Amino acid sequence: SQQGEEDPQALSIQEGENATMNCSYKTSINNLQWYRQNSGRGLVHLILIRSNEREKHSGRLRVTLDTSKKSSSLLITASRAADTASYFCATDARGRGGSEKLVFGKGTKLTVNP
Amino acid sequence: DAGVIQSPRHEVTEMGQEVTLRCKPISGHDYLFWYRQTMMRGLELLIYFNNNVPIDDSGMPEDRFSAKMPNASFSTLKIQPSEPRDSAVYFCASSQHRGNQPQHFGDGTRLSIL
Repeated sequence: SQQGEEDPQALSIQEGENATMNCSYKTSINNLQWYRQNSGRGLVHLILIRSNEREKHSGRLRVTLDTSKKSSSLLITASRAADTASYFCATDARGRGGSEKLVFGKGTKLTVNP
Repeated sequence: DAGVIQSPRHEVTEMGQEVTLRCKPISGHDYLFWYRQTMMRGLELLIYFNNNVPIDDSGMPEDRFSAKMPNASFSTLKIQPSEPRDSAVYFCASSQHRGNQPQHFGDGTRLSIL
């Protein structure tokens, strides 16, 4: 079952503009992660934010987390054509026997036009 | 360091044939995950292992699917007999210490069942 859902499903912007993607989830979490997937490749981990953190930065990436609204956003500043990819949020969840796993959303497809 | 290695990258076979997908996780990673990605259903977790032991196989769609991890450096996902609806990209991922930590993905196997 899908825990996180990204919004929008697709986003097209011009190089140099900022891109914002949102993720909403349903149950309480310990951490939320964002991944990027280039066409024909596997997912690549970008950033992890813990439930007691509100904001985190990594280079041109800024992630916020609002646990009261059960939502997170990923901001990419000064976008480049190379940022064109699909972006996924993943939330931790409990599997069988209480084991830990991640549940991924369906992603936002970002296109950055040169 | 070598990342997660999957083989083959592409597989085309006829319905009813046995398909075996292979994965070599990153050395030292305790967890190994098998996912399936389709446009309709997104990224679905099929099964995951901790220290070579299957922990949760609740995502395996049918008895036609089976997975093994005979040692820390090798896992297989087998489909027998295969059906056209099994066509998808299958990813293997690994992580260290806990199942909710950042996962490292292979580049996937694109499977087409005719």
